[in-house]
Formats: sequence, structure tokens, C-alpha cells
Amino acid sequence: QKEVEQNSGPLSVPEGAIASLNCTYSDRGSQSFFWYRQYSGKSPELIMFIYSNGDKEDGRFTAQLNKASQYVSLLIRDSQPSDSATYLCAVITGGGADGLTFGKGTHLIIQP
Amino acid sequence: EPEVTQTPSHQVTQMGQEVILRCVPISNHLYFYWYRQILGQKVEFLVSFYNNEISEKSEIFDDQFSVERPDGSNFTLKIRSTKLEDSAMYFCALWLEADTQYFGPGTRLTVL
Repeated sequence: QKEVEQNSGPLSVPEGAIASLNCTYSDRGSQSFFWYRQYSGKSPELIMFIYSNGDKEDGRFTAQLNKASQYVSLLIRDSQPSDSATYLCAVITGGGADGLTFGKGTHLIIQP
Repeated sequence: EPEVTQTPSHQVTQMGQEVILRCVPISNHLYFYWYRQILGQKVEFLVSFYNNEISEKSEIFDDQFSVERPDGSNFTLKIRSTKLEDSAMYFCALWLEADTQYFGPGTRLTVL
């Protein structure tokens, strides 16, 4: 059974600070890792994906992957109120046919 | 980002009725997916569809569900005899490059 675990929060962060979101996964065969953002009542929106150990930066977002620890994280720098949302961690084991396995998400609140 | 629409945006049905949810991508894609999200719960993979055939399906995707691409453009999810527990948001998703999946806006299904 593939599992993806996230702290459900809420995680409250002051505006301008760094928000740190964490995720662990159970399937060592997982190959690709994704962070989606979901606003209430909306569909998941892809923010970042990462395949290799280490860091990957895109604007204010940095994804970090440690396959040995089965751990993925997302850092959001200079947090803005518009970043307030639920952040979903997702993993995939194989290629295009496989569905994503999602965590329940972390609810992030950026305090103005 | 590709454009994809889902219709209807909200479907209300009586228990035991059949519903058809539609996904219309603007351009052709290799893989299509259906996911559901019960209110307050995680996004769950239902099925992937490639070249007019089911590629992978989850345990949730039982005999009451079916998928089709009836006219080469629309991509449909049919639930034959709806149950109360089928009430959820249903998202179609498209495969993009590098194993990323892009989600449509979703259909909210309410079974009474």
C-alpha cells in the first residue's frame, strides 16, 4: 500500500517569512515527486516537481528530495497572503500510466 | 498550460441513477486520468486511459465505473448506479511532459 504522509496543519506563517512543508512516502520505488497547491473548492495546481536527490528551485519555491529518508519538502520564500492554500504532496512510481498518490495536504495560512 | 474543461461543473443526482462526467481537452494528449476527492479527504486516483484503453485502475474503480473516449475528443467517466458515497469532486487530468499531470477544474457530484 503506497502511503504519502503530510502534517495536516494548519501551518501559520507570517507574511515575508519562509514556509516549510514536509512529506514522507512509503514506497521506495517512487520515482517522481510533485507539489500541488489547492485553493478551497478548486482543482490541484502543479507548483513543482523533482526527480533527483537534492534541491530544485523555481522562483520563490524550492523542492527538496531525500530518497534515502523517503522525504520531500517544499520551501516557500517571502510568503505572501496569496500563498494561503492547501499544499498537496504527490508521488508516482512508474511512468505515464500510473496515477499519482496524494497526501492529505497541509493547510498553510500566511498571516499579513 | 493546456486548457481542459469539465462538464457539468455541478451535478446533482438521485441515488441509483447513472451519471456521465465529461472532460474536453483542447489538444490531444497521450494519457488521461480520472481522480476523485471526497470533501475533506485526499485526492484519489481512479483510472488512467491511453490510446482508447484503460492502462491502470485503482481498487476504487470497480464495475460501476467506466471510461470512454466516444468521439476522439471528449473523455467521459460514467458511474452506472450512484451511491451516496460517490458524492465528491471528480477531476480529469492530462499527462504533460516529464510525468507531470495537469488537472481540470473538476465536477462536483452530489448524490441525494
